Amino acid sequence: GQNIDQPTEMTATEGAIVQINCTYQTSGFNGLFWYQQHAGEAPTFLSYNVLDGLEEKGRFSSFLSRSKGYSYLLLKELQMKDSASYLCAVMDSNYQLIWGAGTKLIIKP
Amino acid sequence: DTAVSQTPKYLVTQMGNDKSIKCEQNLGHDTMYWYKQDSKKFLKIMFSYNNKELIINETVPNRFSPKSPDKAHLNLHINSLELGDSAVYFCASSQDSEPSMPPLHFGNGTRLTVT
Repeated sequence: GQNIDQPTEMTATEGAIVQINCTYQTSGFNGLFWYQQHAGEAPTFLSYNVLDGLEEKGRFSSFLSRSKGYSYLLLKELQMKDSASYLCAVMDSNYQLIWGAGTKLIIKP
Repeated sequence: DTAVSQTPKYLVTQMGNDKSIKCEQNLGHDTMYWYKQDSKKFLKIMFSYNNKELIINETVPNRFSPKSPDKAHLNLHINSLELGDSAVYFCASSQDSEPSMPPLHFGNGTRLTVT
């Protein structure tokens, strides 16, 4: 079967750095997405990785290792507004998105 | 504003009723989707439409039926509602269904509660 694993919840301190991991087992791979979802709101796109390596976008970076079936989202200089769920999704060989359950990130002052 | 908009935001109804959720996108996208997010927060695709043709139809009960009057709209009709249908339903759109697609754009969700 297809599977996306992420930690259920993480806690970090304002101003610090946090890394949210995602491991996947899918039938084929056509890219990995990270989305942010605030409580009661729609998921919003953060990043897309299809090749190995690090993609940096301001305070957020996303890393991919296809051979390990592994990705992480790195958030720097954490702000209170970063408190949200972070969803990892992989596009399989049929171009269907397989979603993880999301990691709830709690930021403390 | 360019966006994916869905209505209503909240829907509370009784078992056995029939209800509809509307979705419109003005992004000019070719593909629209309906997702269900359950209490465990998994997003599961229900349907997608590309140029008015159904291209994905997951194993959802036939009580659920998508209706697309045009490329910019994909409505979700639900017949004979059951308690287990309670969830948040998200509409989304994308330029196309290929892997190089721009990311999905989601509506703000409809929280359906069946009592």
